[in-house]
Amino acid sequence: DAGVTQSPTHLIKTRGQQVTLRCSPKSGHDTVSWYQQALGQGPQFIFQYYEEEERQRGNFPDRFSGHQFPNYSSELNVNALLLGDSALYLCASSLAGRLYTGELFFGEGSRLTVL
Amino acid sequence: AQKITQTQPGMFVQEKEAVTLDCTYDTSDPSYGLFWYKQPSSGEMIFLIYQGSYDQQNATEGRYSLNFQKARKSANLVISASQLGDSAMYFCAMREGSGAGSYQLTFGKGTKLSVIP
Repeated sequence: DAGVTQSPTHLIKTRGQQVTLRCSPKSGHDTVSWYQQALGQGPQFIFQYYEEEERQRGNFPDRFSGHQFPNYSSELNVNALLLGDSALYLCASSLAGRLYTGELFFGEGSRLTVL
Repeated sequence: AQKITQTQPGMFVQEKEAVTLDCTYDTSDPSYGLFWYKQPSSGEMIFLIYQGSYDQQNATEGRYSLNFQKARKSANLVISASQLGDSAMYFCAMREGSGAGSYQLTFGKGTKLSVIP
């Protein structure tokens, strides 16, 4: 049973560029959340997708956008990259019916470096 | 104010000994959930244990137990019989409320645990 998979694992971009990160949730999961983890910090919630719609958003600018596909996979897009966007981006999947008490399953993340 | 505070940046424990990782939280919502995650160097966050605000008993999962003191707003993680593989970052997290708008987890800054042989 495959867990959460993310791609790419590492990437380097320059300021002003755009990036797309991809996530396939754990089999059977229908909800995908994205988190940003800066070096030495805990993860910060970016947004959550369910039924192909953004259900909740954290305190991130509109440069951060996402999408969920009918097969529940998801993309995170970041436009006009800033140096401060350098971080580990974590995707987490869960079952909508177990969101409050059930755990999130995380991928290993995509490490983005902005130069 | 920080919603989740982990005051121990780093901890050392001898193999086979027990260790307690501290976590305090701040919320005015009567309904909330508390989580602990482990993050090895690979980057993946691994769920360890969950405690709901209305749960009467402290949560336990194998070698992990959560010392939940509601009045003090603390949710400390206790790891018994430490193993070398327990060396990792540990994060405390909270979900506030129930229903729409309460899907996010707020994480603390983490504690780095090192298990000494």
